Amino acid sequence: SSELTQDPAVSVALGQTVRITCQGDSLRSYYASWYQQKPGQAPVLVIYGKNNRPSGIPDRFSGSSSGNTASLTITGAQAEDEADYYCNSRDSSGNHKWVFGGGTKLTVL
Amino acid sequence: EVQLVESGGGLVQPGGSLRLSCAASGFTFSSYNMNWVRQAPGKGLEWVSYISSSRTSIYYADSVKGRFTISRDNAKNSLYLQMSSLRDEDTAVYYCARGRETTVTTNWFDPWGQGTLVTVSS
Repeated sequence: SSELTQDPAVSVALGQTVRITCQGDSLRSYYASWYQQKPGQAPVLVIYGKNNRPSGIPDRFSGSSSGNTASLTITGAQAEDEADYYCNSRDSSGNHKWVFGGGTKLTVL
Repeated sequence: EVQLVESGGGLVQPGGSLRLSCAASGFTFSSYNMNWVRQAPGKGLEWVSYISSSRTSIYYADSVKGRFTISRDNAKNSLYLQMSSLRDEDTAVYYCARGRETTVTTNWFDPWGQGTLVTVSS
């Protein structure tokens, strides 16, 4: 089955731009979706498809994709963006499964 | 308001069984595919199982295949996960999540319930 790889931790200065990446073979066939999870809370969808934000997600969140890599960019990071971020896509090996990346802990300095 | 509320978690001994439920409201439950996703303490997310809106397609992660059974009752707006032969490594918060897709290449989970904790321990 496919795997998605994320950097375990990333930090960004308040107000600066940060990119969180996700790599995997399945991303050549499927778009990634991205989820924000704060301590003790359920995951929340922040980006899906080519670059779509659900209602209520600030426009500082954006997504992109190239080859086997998907990226989540936060432009002008805020203190409330400090959280774990997970990428997800359908498994491309034809076995009808979904895979998550290991998650990236974002620290806003 | 679209809402998913899980219940049924608790402490169970290794080898035991447990049935989780997820009550849906605020949307036409019978029109949507549904999933279970779990998160072991301090760990990442792991997809567990999928069931299509009409129950015609059901899939499982290798880690639970043969031990877990997903089901749904569209008349009751409810999703279930019957877990048996539970192992220590099944200890996790279990979330139900609505599946969405616009094309075969674009799918996502939204929303998620608040989760229910399953602890497998003697």
